[in-house]
Amino acid sequence: AQKITQTQPGMFVQEKEAVTLDCTYDTSDQSYGLFWYKQPSSGEMIFLIYQGSYDEQNATEGRYSLNFQKARKSANLVISASQLGDSAMYFCAMRSASGGSYIPTFGRGTSLIVHP
Amino acid sequence: EPEVTQTPSHQVTQMGQEVILRCVPISNHLYFYWYRQILGQKVEFLVSFYNNEISEKSEIFDDQFSVERPDGSNFTLKIRSTKLEDSAMYFCASRAYQGMGSSYNEQFFGPGTRLTVL
Repeated sequence: AQKITQTQPGMFVQEKEAVTLDCTYDTSDQSYGLFWYKQPSSGEMIFLIYQGSYDEQNATEGRYSLNFQKARKSANLVISASQLGDSAMYFCAMRSASGGSYIPTFGRGTSLIVHP
Repeated sequence: EPEVTQTPSHQVTQMGQEVILRCVPISNHLYFYWYRQILGQKVEFLVSFYNNEISEKSEIFDDQFSVERPDGSNFTLKIRSTKLEDSAMYFCASRAYQGMGSSYNEQFFGPGTRLTVL
């Protein structure tokens, strides 16, 4: 079974500072993918970034980067130069190809508040 | 930019009533999903759909739930007899491909339908 753990229920960061949101995962599969989604107060789920288990380089998408440490089974999201609009819930998710299943598992989320 | 749409944005229903939540996935996508998020909790997978049939479903997706792709564009989730605990945000998502390559993994989510069962 796969499991995603987000240990930070809430995080605060000052505008323009960088922030790291933690995510650890557990799977026995060798091939898997890790995702981060942003959920603003309006409720929609916005895809941010993807990291494959065999990708040698950490994924980056604009101000978002994924600090992938495979041996530690961690996939932390780093947001550089935080903006007020970054205030939202952030969900880490994983999908592995266990037995042909592609069901993703989500963490409980981290609430990020960016203050001026 | 193409997007997934969902209607209605908010549905209020009485316990025991049937509801149909509608989704229009991105037009060239092949894989479709429904997720549920109870207020304040994590997103939970309900069902995936490919080639006009269910590929996978979770334990939540019991006999009260059904999905259908009645035409080439709509993807619906039906709850036959709603219960209070069905109150949640329901998300539809779609994806172009199924695979482990980095280009194939982005699921595009719709804005969600907030279902309130009274």
